[in-house]
Amino acid sequence: NAGVTQTPKFRVLKTGQSMTLLCAQDMNHEYMYWYRQDPGMGLRLIHYSVGEGTTAKGEVPDGYNVSRLKKQNFLLGLESAAPSQTSVYFCASRRTSGAETQYFGPGTRLLVL
Amino acid sequence: AQSVTQPDIHITVSEGASLELRCNYSYGATPYLFWYVQSPGQGLQLLLKYFSGDTLVQGIKGFEAEFKRSQSSFNLRKPSVHWSDAAEYFCAVGPPQGGSEKLVFGKGTKLTVNP
Repeated sequence: NAGVTQTPKFRVLKTGQSMTLLCAQDMNHEYMYWYRQDPGMGLRLIHYSVGEGTTAKGEVPDGYNVSRLKKQNFLLGLESAAPSQTSVYFCASRRTSGAETQYFGPGTRLLVL
Repeated sequence: AQSVTQPDIHITVSEGASLELRCNYSYGATPYLFWYVQSPGQGLQLLLKYFSGDTLVQGIKGFEAEFKRSQSSFNLRKPSVHWSDAAEYFCAVGPPQGGSEKLVFGKGTKLTVNP
């Protein structure tokens, strides 16, 4: 099993450009999450999904959109990137029951100039 | 609203010394509690978790944590730190019932280990 993978690993964007981050998991997990990590801020939830075709907003959803067309994939989109979106983005997945562990991907480092 | 506080932003210990990382939470009921570790440039890895039963939880890499309901705390401990333990440590809480299970993370404690 590859676990949770993220594509790309690193990207540089100019302000106003768009891009999509891809998260894929091969563990047949129902729930998937997108977080951003900024220095001194811990991890903050952007959006999450409780199953194929569902999405919901997290703590900091503004400026991002997501889609979960297939159970194994969770896409995070930036329609018009801003410097404030410079961050490290992590995807995670887990099974449904309450105490299950979230498994994290290796992260995508995004720099918006 | 639920919250997690890790009072120590940065801790430095000598190799072989004992370690305790503090975590306090604010929640309406006893939540599920997690400790994750993040090595530089890596994703997060689960060290241990608590959801019921024995309040002393054993994890990987020789770590343990103790849940204290009266103090709303879930402190992480290790008797003897190794240089490879240098990393950032995150405490997280999640709701005790089924559902979307959004975790709330603390802001992290960075551990430096001196030789």
